[in-house]
Parts: sequence; structure tokens; C-alpha cells
Amino acid sequence: DAGVIQSPRHEVTEMGQEVTLRCKPISGHNSLFWYRQTMMRGLELLIYFNNNVPIDDSGMPEDRFSAKMPNASFSTLKIQPSEPRDSAVYFCASSFGPPSNTEAFFGQGTRLTVV
Amino acid sequence: GIQVEQSPPDLILQEGANSTLRCNFSDSVNNLQWFHQNPWGQLINLFYIPSGTKQNGRLSATTVATERYSLLYISSSQTTDSGVYFCAVIPSGNTPLVFGKGTRLSVIA
Repeated sequence: DAGVIQSPRHEVTEMGQEVTLRCKPISGHNSLFWYRQTMMRGLELLIYFNNNVPIDDSGMPEDRFSAKMPNASFSTLKIQPSEPRDSAVYFCASSFGPPSNTEAFFGQGTRLTVV
Repeated sequence: GIQVEQSPPDLILQEGANSTLRCNFSDSVNNLQWFHQNPWGQLINLFYIPSGTKQNGRLSATTVATERYSLLYISSSQTTDSGVYFCAVIPSGNTPLVFGKGTRLSVIA
């Protein structure tokens, strides 16, 4: 299996622009997670989907952030409009089954820079 | 929410040395994973270890869930072991992984 696939690997955009990050989970996995990593806050959960349904979005910072999972093999995280403080590495992860009793695997991350 | 504390925050080792990294958590957990984030930023799964002891080559891990801690042992360290080691737990219930702040390891030749 190719693992969790994220695109793009790097994104540089200007403040105010829309940014879309993409994730393809491991085939057969039905839980998907978006995390953000910054120096100040470490790795923090943004949103968690199970069977394509958002279960917990309490970590989404504000209305500028939105996430979708239209099918079992694809998810997007969108930031509109982007701001410099959104600069971070965004990770997508997936697991087979609920988080409590399965191992999660992470993609290589998208490094976002907003200038 | 649950607190995950890792120690030490930083560690410098001579190649060939052994080390023990610790992860303490403030509440009962259903799941615990150890990850290695390499210098290129990849998060690599090391162990899925809600309880007990596991070994994989030079690395081993032990989780004592009743006492709320886990240990990661690295023996005969190599320069390729450098990076940040994260402990992540799932509290009781069905919430996703909560990460500690990590231990930054530097192995020098």
C-alpha cells in the first residue's frame, strides 16, 4: 500500500488567497484525521471523520477553515482566506476502525507558508 | 483534557549509547503510539502499544497503563535515530490521538 498520500507537499501563497490541501487515506481505512503542527502548539487535531462523516471538528480554528470528505478515498482541508498565522505543516492520518483500538498512520504532510 | 508529558525535552547522545524516553499521561488511555519524526518531517510509526512490551530491532517500548506511563528504549543509537520522538495517546472514549510535545534526540558520531 502507498500509505496516506497528501498533496501538495509544499504550498506558498499570499495572504487572502484560498488554499486547498488534499488527502487520500489508506484503502480500507474508515477514520480520517487532519492535524496541524506548529512550533508553538505542537501537533493538534483539527478534525476527525468516521465513515466520511465529521465526528469532531472542535479543533478547527475558525470559520476560515473547512474540511470535507466526499467519499472514502478523498478529503480536503480548505482555508479561505488564508493568513500568515496559518503557516504550519498540515498532516492527514487514517486508521481502520475507530481511533480507540486501531493504529493511525500519517501522510508526509503539507508545509504551508502564507506570506 | 488529558495531559501528555514527555521527558527529557532534549537529548544528545554519542553514537552507540543507549537511552530511555519517558511518556507520562494524566488519565487512563485506550491506545498509545510512539512516532519518530525524522529530519525531513515524516511521522514514522514505531509502536502501537496500549499495554505491555514490544521490541523492534534496537528499539523497544513498555507501557504500564495502570501507572500511566510508557517508556521507549533506544539501544546502540545511530545518527539516523536523530529527530523528534512523539508519544500520542487516546483517552478513554473514542477521541483521536493527543500528542505530547516530543523529545528531540540528536545522535552525534
